[in-house]
Amino acid sequence: QQQVKQSPQSLIVQKGGIPIINCAYENTAFDYFPWYQQFPGKGPALLIAIRPDVSEKKEGRFTISFNKSAKQFSLHIMDSQPGDSATYFCAASSGSNYQLIWGAGTKLIIKP
Amino acid sequence: NAGVTQTPKFQVLKTGQSMTLQCAQDMNHNSMYWYRQDPGMGLRLIYYSASEGTTDKGEVPNGYNVSRLNKREFSLRLESAAPSQTSVYFCASRLQGEETQYFGPGTRLLVL
Repeated sequence: QQQVKQSPQSLIVQKGGIPIINCAYENTAFDYFPWYQQFPGKGPALLIAIRPDVSEKKEGRFTISFNKSAKQFSLHIMDSQPGDSATYFCAASSGSNYQLIWGAGTKLIIKP
Repeated sequence: NAGVTQTPKFQVLKTGQSMTLQCAQDMNHNSMYWYRQDPGMGLRLIYYSASEGTTDKGEVPNGYNVSRLNKREFSLRLESAAPSQTSVYFCASRLQGEETQYFGPGTRLLVL
């Protein structure tokens, strides 16, 4: 029940395309859903996050879509660029300690 | 601000050897975390420290010990390294009341 399942494991998209990464969870107590971006040789860094009181959040070219009834959330990258090539992790937590449960990660490659 | 720093960057150990991974943050954060990252498994929490003087086990604590030396520093010790502990280790910190975890650059550990 604590798991966050992320798919796909890897994704190759042409420049300008819209990669979509999906995550699903079981624990209905989760109330914070961040996405982290990790470049090779670096630590993860927060990209964008959402709470379940909204169904969508946009920050620049990055959008989170949230479906509370389906217990799913996804990351969309508009007008993707080669510089977006990275590993993306979804995560979830509940309560004020923000102990994150992580998805397995998606390695995204944007081809020029 | 250096953010979260980790030493060493890379280490090779023989089975049975011990070592300590160091982590320090200069952001006056209360909470600190140790994760391990393995291919296809996302990040798994080893130990965390909600505040100076407290530590708690995470998902995969076996074979590890931690010390929260002061507010800035949180070290991870492997008493008797095993090949299964070959991984990339990340330290992270978070300010109480905020959601974002800030990660260090990681320590790549190879146990032969």
